[in-house]
Amino acid sequence: QVQLVESGGGVVQPGRSLRLSCAASGFTFSSYGMHWVRQAPGKGLEWVAVIWYDGSNKYYADSVKGRFTISRDNSKNTLYLQMNSLRAEDTAVYYCARDPSIAAHPAEYFQHWGQGTLVTVSS
Amino acid sequence: EIVLTQSPATLSLSPGERATLSCGASQSVSSSYLAWYQQKPGLAPRLLIYDASSRATGIPDRFSGSGSGTDFTLTISRLEPEDFAVYYCQQYGSSPPPTFGQGTKVEIK
Repeated sequence: QVQLVESGGGVVQPGRSLRLSCAASGFTFSSYGMHWVRQAPGKGLEWVAVIWYDGSNKYYADSVKGRFTISRDNSKNTLYLQMNSLRAEDTAVYYCARDPSIAAHPAEYFQHWGQGTLVTVSS
Repeated sequence: EIVLTQSPATLSLSPGERATLSCGASQSVSSSYLAWYQQKPGLAPRLLIYDASSRATGIPDRFSGSGSGTDFTLTISRLEPEDFAVYYCQQYGSSPPPTFGQGTKVEIK
C-alpha cells in the first residue's frame, strides 16, 4: 500500500535553513506528482508546493516563493523540501502528499498523505 | 486565487443524525474540481470526495458530495461515532495554487 514517511523536522532559529524529506513506497514514485502541504498549530491547511512526476515543473505558494525549493530523486523514491530564510510563520506540520494523476499534469488534489513532520521556527 | 468559505464553523449533532456541510467559492470552480477531506486530531487529512461528487477508494457511501459553480455540499447521511472530526473543502479547478476552506468541525452534541 502507499506509504509516505516525512522526516527532517525540528526546532530552528529564524533565518536558518532546514531540509525535509519524504520517503515513498508502495507505488511507482516516478509516475506521480508530489506536493507539500502544511498546517500551522490549530489552523487550517495550506498548500506549499508541487513538483511534476519527472521534476520538469515546480510551483510554489506566494508565501514561500523564493525561500523554499521542492525537488525529488526518483532513483531514491524521495521527495524533498529545502526551506531557507525560515520565519516564525513557517511553524507548522509539513505533510507530503501524492497527486492522483499518473505521468501527467498534476490534478492538484491530494490522494495520499504522510503522517507529517513538525517544524518549529523559534529563537 | 479562489477563496473558499465553509459553513458552519462548528456543527453539533448526535450519532445517527444527518450532517450537511457547505463550501462556497469566491468564483466559479471550473469543472467542479472540488475535494473534501476529513481530519481527526493528531492525524493527517484523508481524502473523502474528489471532482465534487466522486467518493475516494474505501470511503463509506454515507458520505456524498454535490454542487457546482460556487456552491458545494458534503452530506453525511447518518453520523457514526468515527465521523466526528474536522472537514475541509479544497478547489483545484484554478490552480496553482490549490486552496482550502477554513474547515468545519463536526462535534458530538
